[in-house]
Amino acid sequence: ETGVTQSPTHLIKTRGQQVTLRCSSQSGHNTVSWYQQALGQGPQFIFQYYREEENGRGNFPPRFSGLQFPNYSSELNVNALELDDSALYLCASSLLPTKTEAFFGQGTRLTVV
Amino acid sequence: DQQVKQNSPSLSVQEGRISILNCDYTNSMFDYFLWYKKYPAEGPTFLISISSIKDKNEDGRFTVFLNKSAKHLSLHIVPSQPGDSAVYFCAASEVGANSKLTFGKGITLSVRP
Repeated sequence: ETGVTQSPTHLIKTRGQQVTLRCSSQSGHNTVSWYQQALGQGPQFIFQYYREEENGRGNFPPRFSGLQFPNYSSELNVNALELDDSALYLCASSLLPTKTEAFFGQGTRLTVV
Repeated sequence: DQQVKQNSPSLSVQEGRISILNCDYTNSMFDYFLWYKKYPAEGPTFLISISSIKDKNEDGRFTVFLNKSAKHLSLHIVPSQPGDSAVYFCAASEVGANSKLTFGKGITLSVRP
């Protein structure tokens, strides 16, 4: 059974640029959620994808967008990067509708300069 | 507006003693609660969960207690081990929200040998 994997692990971008982060869900899982964890804070829900459709969104602007593919892997895209977007981005997979527990990848550390 | 609160940022206990980590919540729609453990440079790892229909759930050294009337839950670790030293996050999910988690800020637990 493969766990949740994210790429890249670290990334440095310039303000105004665009970034794409990738996530492979755990084997057998059909749902991917993305979270942003700023320094000293808990993870904050960005959005969730279930069967390739967005299934809920947190309080993040439209420049945060995502995709889920038929194999349940996912991408998080952030346009027009701002300095405050610097954070750890976590992907979590789960199996809906039967399970609430989400299993996390190791995260992508994004630094915007 | 913090819906899940972990008011103590850190806790230090002696190896072999009990660790009690507390969490309060304000949203009455939360019906499922989870604890995650996070080591540096890793993603959060699921520890234990509890449904709102229960007041206690136990898994080995870990027990979670839920007091719905007080909107309070706690994680007990007995006996504490040095390997338990990590950041612990309390998280909650709303009715029908399917693994969209709201996290607290986390508590840093240090277990002294």
